[in-house]
Amino acid sequence: KAGVTQTPRYLIKTRGQQVTLSCSPISGHRSVSWYQQTPGQGLQFLFEYFSETQRNKGNFPGRFSGRQFSNSRSEMNVSTLELGDSALYLCASSLAGTGGQETQYFGPGTRLLVL
Amino acid sequence: GENVEQHPSTLSVQEGDSAVIKCTYSDSASNYFPWYKQELGKGPQLIIDIRSNVGEKKDQRIAVTLNKTAKHFSLHITETQPEDSAVYFCAASASGTYKYIFGTGTRLKVLA
Repeated sequence: KAGVTQTPRYLIKTRGQQVTLSCSPISGHRSVSWYQQTPGQGLQFLFEYFSETQRNKGNFPGRFSGRQFSNSRSEMNVSTLELGDSALYLCASSLAGTGGQETQYFGPGTRLLVL
Repeated sequence: GENVEQHPSTLSVQEGDSAVIKCTYSDSASNYFPWYKQELGKGPQLIIDIRSNVGEKKDQRIAVTLNKTAKHFSLHITETQPEDSAVYFCAASASGTYKYIFGTGTRLKVLA
């Protein structure tokens, strides 16, 4: 079974631009979560989607948004990019999204560099 | 707020020795504790997990222990090998939150 796939793998943008990242979960998985990983802040939760509904959101500004499609694929968008948005953005999927005691499987991430 | 502390931040061991990484969580509602290994250029990969109704779990050279009273859980790797070198993250999750709170990571170096 294929794992979580993320596209693109690498991205370079300039300040003020916007970016959209894509995530395809493991087949059959219905929950998709997004995390930001930086050397200074570590792994931080962005948001989680299940059946096209956002069920939880982390402490990030409104410039960070996401959505999930009916086939469980998800996208996240960052508008008005800032230098501090440079990070590895990780997507994770889980089977039923029961909200606890369920394993999340991570993709390879999209590395975003903002110049 | 919710927090997971992880120690040490770096750990060097000789090949064949054991390695122990410790985490402490703050949210008493946490009931699921996965451990991930992240190699350079890759996403985190699950290596072992434990649920709150279990005190210890073992999978070959890897074991995890959980002390709910003290809100501590630990990763034990025995007979370390050079391929164990990576960054290890602990995490905690509570039912209904749909998210993991991660520790800050431990860079493990196994010296041949």
